[in-house]
Amino acid sequence: QKEVEQDPGPLSVPEGAIVSLNCTYSNSAFQYFMWYRQYSRKGPELLMYTYSSGNKEDGRFTAQVDKSSKYISLFIRDSQPSDSATYLCPDLYNFNKFYFGSGTKLNVKP
Amino acid sequence: DAMVIQNPRYQVTQFGKPVTLSCSQTLNHNVMYWYQQKSSQAPKLLFHYYDKDFNNEADTPDNFQSRRPNTSFCFLDIRSPGLGDAAMYLCATSSASEETQYFGPGTRLLVL
Repeated sequence: QKEVEQDPGPLSVPEGAIVSLNCTYSNSAFQYFMWYRQYSRKGPELLMYTYSSGNKEDGRFTAQVDKSSKYISLFIRDSQPSDSATYLCPDLYNFNKFYFGSGTKLNVKP
Repeated sequence: DAMVIQNPRYQVTQFGKPVTLSCSQTLNHNVMYWYQQKSSQAPKLLFHYYDKDFNNEADTPDNFQSRRPNTSFCFLDIRSPGLGDAAMYLCATSSASEETQYFGPGTRLLVL
């Protein structure tokens, strides 16, 4: 099952850059959208959660949902080396079950 | 702090020797999941428990089994590990009333 597509990267940016990470999904029934961050050799941690369309901001992070385009984005302002991780957006079509896309690996260079 | 705990963090086993990984949670969530994550790949759902109800993914090999003796604990049993089973195994929990899942730190399994 592959409802969510992500560019696997790796994406390499200099410290301080604005980063844009994207997911496209195929099922218009999606209602909930999440971004997880996974550091190397660690479990994923919830970064952002949003319901339906629009923007949600949390510090340097902004999640944006465009349901008409079936596109979700995560923007990171003033990126830091500590943001270097893999970013995952799970398929939430099946409630309580996640199917992850490939994830995008981000490397922020000091 | 409420959390998801996995033990051990690293496990080495021999080819064909049964191994059990454990997960415990203090969140009192009724749903618990096991994922397999191979190097440079996304986590792949193996199965989950909704309370005591076991839900297996269609493509999960029979070699993988799970037990959930109570709300707090869940075990992953690999009956005859092969070299291809070397991976990070992630446990996660969620409440039936919310969509988010909370992951443990994972157990890294090495098969010799």
